[in-house]
Amino acid sequence: SQELEQSPQSLIVQEGKNLTINCTSSKTLYGLYWYKQKYGEGLIFLMMLQKGGEEKSHEKITAKLDEKKQQSSLHITASQPSHAGIYLCGADIKDDKIIFGKGTRLHILP
Amino acid sequence: ETGVTQTPRHLVMGMTNKKSLKCEQHLGHNAMYWYKQSAKKPLELMFVYSLEERVENNSVPSRFSPECPNSSHLFLHLHTLQPEDSALYLCASSPWVTTYEQYFGPGTRLTVT
Repeated sequence: SQELEQSPQSLIVQEGKNLTINCTSSKTLYGLYWYKQKYGEGLIFLMMLQKGGEEKSHEKITAKLDEKKQQSSLHITASQPSHAGIYLCGADIKDDKIIFGKGTRLHILP
Repeated sequence: ETGVTQTPRHLVMGMTNKKSLKCEQHLGHNAMYWYKQSAKKPLELMFVYSLEERVENNSVPSRFSPECPNSSHLFLHLHTLQPEDSALYLCASSPWVTTYEQYFGPGTRLTVT
C-alpha cells in the first residue's frame, strides 16, 4: 500500500533559522497538499502542488514538488514562533483517495 | 478565521453512552468530511458527503454513524465506543467533492473511558 513518509518526525529550531521538512512517496503523486496544525486544533491549508517541478510560496514558506512527483519539501525561511506546530502533507493517489503523512512537529526556540 | 465550526471541542464519554459530534460550515461548500486523528498515526478519512449524499465510507465501524441533513451541517453519532476510539475528530469542507483546498474545523477531542 502506498504511504507518505515525512521527515523529520520532530524538529527543534532556533528562531530566525531556516528549516526544511520532507514528504516522500514510493509512487507518483497526483496532487500534494501541505497543511499546518496547531497542537490539538484543526488543519490550515497551506499549499497545493500538482506539477512536477512546481514551486509555491506563501510569506516565508516555500514548497516544491520534485520532477518525478514523488517528493515534496517545505522550506521555512527565518523561522518565527508563529511557525511552530505540526506540518502535515497529504496526497492524491490514483483512485481518488487521499492519504496523509504522520506529520512533523516543529518547535521554535526563542 | 476558519469557516468550519465543531462542537463540542472536548468530550468524555463512557463506552455505553450515546453522543453526537456536530460540524457546521459557513462557506457555502457542497462537500463535507469526517477525519480521525489518533496519536502518532496519520490522519484517517472516515466519511465523505457530497450534496448531502454519502459518497465514501472508509470501512468505519458501525458504532460511528454519520448524518448530513443539509450541505451546511454534518453530524457524527457515536454509540458503544471503545477506548481506542479516543482521538481528535476533524470535520472539513470543500467547494465540491475534491481534495483540493479542504477547510478544517478545530476538531473535537474525544476521550472514551
